[in-house]
Amino acid sequence: EAQVTQNPRYLITVTGKKLTVTCSQNMNHEYMSWYRQDPGLGLRQIYYSMNVEVTDKGDVPEGYKVSRKEKRNFPLILESPSPNQTSLYFCASSSTDSGRDRYEQYFGPGTRLTVT
Amino acid sequence: AQSVSQHNHHVILSEAASLELGCNYSYGGTVNLFWYVQYPGQHLQLLLKYFSGDPLVKGIKGFEAEFIKSKFSFNLRKPSVQWSDTAEYFCAGSAGDSNYQLIWGAGTKLIIKP
Repeated sequence: EAQVTQNPRYLITVTGKKLTVTCSQNMNHEYMSWYRQDPGLGLRQIYYSMNVEVTDKGDVPEGYKVSRKEKRNFPLILESPSPNQTSLYFCASSSTDSGRDRYEQYFGPGTRLTVT
Repeated sequence: AQSVSQHNHHVILSEAASLELGCNYSYGGTVNLFWYVQYPGQHLQLLLKYFSGDPLVKGIKGFEAEFIKSKFSFNLRKPSVQWSDTAEYFCAGSAGDSNYQLIWGAGTKLIIKP
């Protein structure tokens, strides 16, 4: 089954304790992206990647890091989480081939992060 | 700057009512437009998409949207809503070819009263 998986689904942590949220897709997609979703603000992009070893900042990259060492994985790293990073995080992927799925983003189930 | 705007942040309807959610985008030229739905506690799922061709696009679950270039609009419609349509709906778009960055509207929360 084609899917995007994220782990963990729920995480409560304390300020300053480094954490990683994993994202993996099994569709051989080139494009991957991280978003955060906050009430009234919709989806805001954190980072994205066009392919392996190619990453770029989105709209709200401060306080986050990413890496893309393998095509299927795109982990989100919070080196020193703060309470304002409490949010719902989504990973998404998309094909860049010229097929019918081009541009369509497939989303993971979300990770609800609480930083106290 | 490119933007996507959704006019209504909250909509409340009764079952069997007709639905139209507004979406406007700010850029000209080639556009790719999407409507996604997020049911309570779930991830975003694609409802429908427009790349080119017939401006009336049909999606899943009886939804459709019409691309009106002159109005820069891509409104979502459903003739008769059901309680199970309660969800948040997001409009998104990207400009041009080979542009995979989606610009998102703020979302519309739809509540259907049984």
